[in-house]
Formats: sequence, C-alpha cells, structure tokens
Amino acid sequence: QRVLTQSPSASASLGASVKLTCTLNSGHSTYAIAWHQQQPEKGPRYLMKLNSDGSHSKGDGIPDRFSGSSSGAERYLTISSLQSEDEADYYCQTWGTGLYVFGTGTKVTVL
Amino acid sequence: QVQLVQSGAEVKKPGASVKVSCKASGYTFTSYYIHWVRQAPGQGLEWMGMINPSGGYTAYAQKLQGRVTMTRDTSTTTVYMELSSLRSEDTAVYYCARDQKMATTYPDYWGQGTLVTVSS
Repeated sequence: QRVLTQSPSASASLGASVKLTCTLNSGHSTYAIAWHQQQPEKGPRYLMKLNSDGSHSKGDGIPDRFSGSSSGAERYLTISSLQSEDEADYYCQTWGTGLYVFGTGTKVTVL
Repeated sequence: QVQLVQSGAEVKKPGASVKVSCKASGYTFTSYYIHWVRQAPGQGLEWMGMINPSGGYTAYAQKLQGRVTMTRDTSTTTVYMELSSLRSEDTAVYYCARDQKMATTYPDYWGQGTLVTVSS
C-alpha cells in the first residue's frame, strides 16, 4: 500500500481556487508532509511543511495564496487566486525512520 | 542566499559510471544534510539517498544499494553522487537538495538538476 496518495490531475480557472489532497495510509496517518511545486521544465521548489494539526511553515518567497490544512490522514494544499504560473506538478513528501517518500504528483491545469 | 549548483548534462553508455557534482553556497555546508532525488522522463520524484556533509555518513535507497556512492568535499563545499553499472532505466534528471536541518526530513532548497542519458 502506498504511503502517499495523490490524484493525478486537477484544474481550475484563472483567478479561482484549487484544493489538492495528499492522503497518508493508515500506518502513517499522523505524519507531517512537505509540498513541492515543479513548473514545466524546471526543478522542484519547496512550498511548505504541513503538520497533522494543520499548522504549516512556508518556504522563502512563497506567496500568501498558497496555504495548507489537514484533516485526519489528509493533507491539503490550497492555491487561491490561481495564476498562469501555478500550472505545475505538485508533489507531497513525507519522512520517518527508514522512510523518505514522494507522492506520485498532481498536475494542475489553469483554464 | 542558499544556492545548489550542479554539474552539466552527461551522456553515458550502458555499464559505465557517472559522477554528478553539487556545489553548495550561502549557508554553513556542514550543518545540513544533502539528498539526491531523480526523475525519469515523464515520471515522478524518486529519493536516492542522503549524505551528512559533516561526518560523511550516508544512507541509500535499497534499490540502489551497491551502485550509488555519495561523497563530499568540505574544502569546496561540494557533494558528489556517483552511479555505476548504468542502465537505460537510469536515464533521468538528477537533483541535489538540501534538507531543512541536520536530519532526514524534507528539502527546502533544490539544485537545478543534471540530465543523465544512458544510451548505446
């Protein structure tokens, strides 16, 4: 069973909001995760660390329209006021003793 | 500002080895772990392993054990990743990334990536 599960794709209109989900399996449901963004033809960029209680800390220069929240084993990334440069792949990642794993990524399309 | 600058693209034949460098600057080199992550064409991110630049301790992904070696040079603040017995499946972009602390948690800065192509 995969540790992290992400939907393959999501889309929303320019200026709207989109909410991405990363689900931890039952054995890791209380783990913190990190979200990373990968724009087309670029390397990944760290967005934020997200704890099980929903508290989060963002990376340098990450706009306020990126926010995180949690509910049970689900970890969310919400992008508000979508802009064209937000069209990218978004990966969640978690860690622990002997564990370091990425989700399969969600491709966000801005309509 | 934190920067991780990687070496240029490589083309290798099956069975050969490749060594990719990652020069760190803008922070205390020996205070943060460095990870290596790769991404095959059209695929997701795969963790390869990590190195503690202070003592040189390493930990590798099980599937790469025996083929991957990570080293560091504290005098030049550079980390190296060498992958041997290359196969076509090793064709990927290889990234170095700094952990946000002296532990194995999550990367907060990434290198620009190095494309390694394995082809006869």
